[in-house]
Amino acid sequence: KAGVTQTPRYLIKTRGQQVTLSCSPISGHRSVSWYQQTPGQGLQFLFEYFSETQRNKGNFPGRFSGRQFSNSRSEMNVSTLELGDSALYLCASSLVSRVEDTQYFGPGTRLTVL
Amino acid sequence: AQSVTQLGSHVSVSEGALVLLRCNYSSSVPPYLFWYVQYPNQGLQLLLKYTSAATLVKGINGFEAEFKKSETSFHLTKPSAHMSDAAEYFCAVRQGAQKLVFGQGTRLTINP
Repeated sequence: KAGVTQTPRYLIKTRGQQVTLSCSPISGHRSVSWYQQTPGQGLQFLFEYFSETQRNKGNFPGRFSGRQFSNSRSEMNVSTLELGDSALYLCASSLVSRVEDTQYFGPGTRLTVL
Repeated sequence: AQSVTQLGSHVSVSEGALVLLRCNYSSSVPPYLFWYVQYPNQGLQLLLKYTSAATLVKGINGFEAEFKKSETSFHLTKPSAHMSDAAEYFCAVRQGAQKLVFGQGTRLTINP
């Protein structure tokens, strides 16, 4: 089975722009979660989608948003980019949304904001 | 809120030596605990997880971890380090259905 795929792998944007990142979960997985990884703050939970509904949200400003499509693919959007948004954005998928389900991570999208 | 603390941001061991990476958790209820590994320029790979079935959990690549409720610990060990084990290791606790709360990570260096 193919793993979690994320596109693009690398992205360079300038302040004020917006960006959309894409995540395709493992086939059959219906839950997708997003995390931000930075050297200063470490790994932080952004949000989780299950069956096209946001189930849980981390402590991030409204500039960060996401959605999930009927095929379970997910996108996250960051508007009005700031320098501090430079990070590795990781997507993880799991079968459903139970607490015992294992999350499998993709390789990430490295976003650089200039 | 549940959290984990990883003691030591950087651990260095010789090839063939014991690897011990420390993780302590704070949780008011039985936790779901995980260890993930991250190689350079890659995502996170699950090493092992604790879900209350057994206190000693065996994972991939020869790693194992022991859940000790009395010490609120979930330390990761490997009897004999290999050069390929050099990576960053993250301990995490499940908070809510699909939210993982991660420790700050421990970078493991293997000396030849």
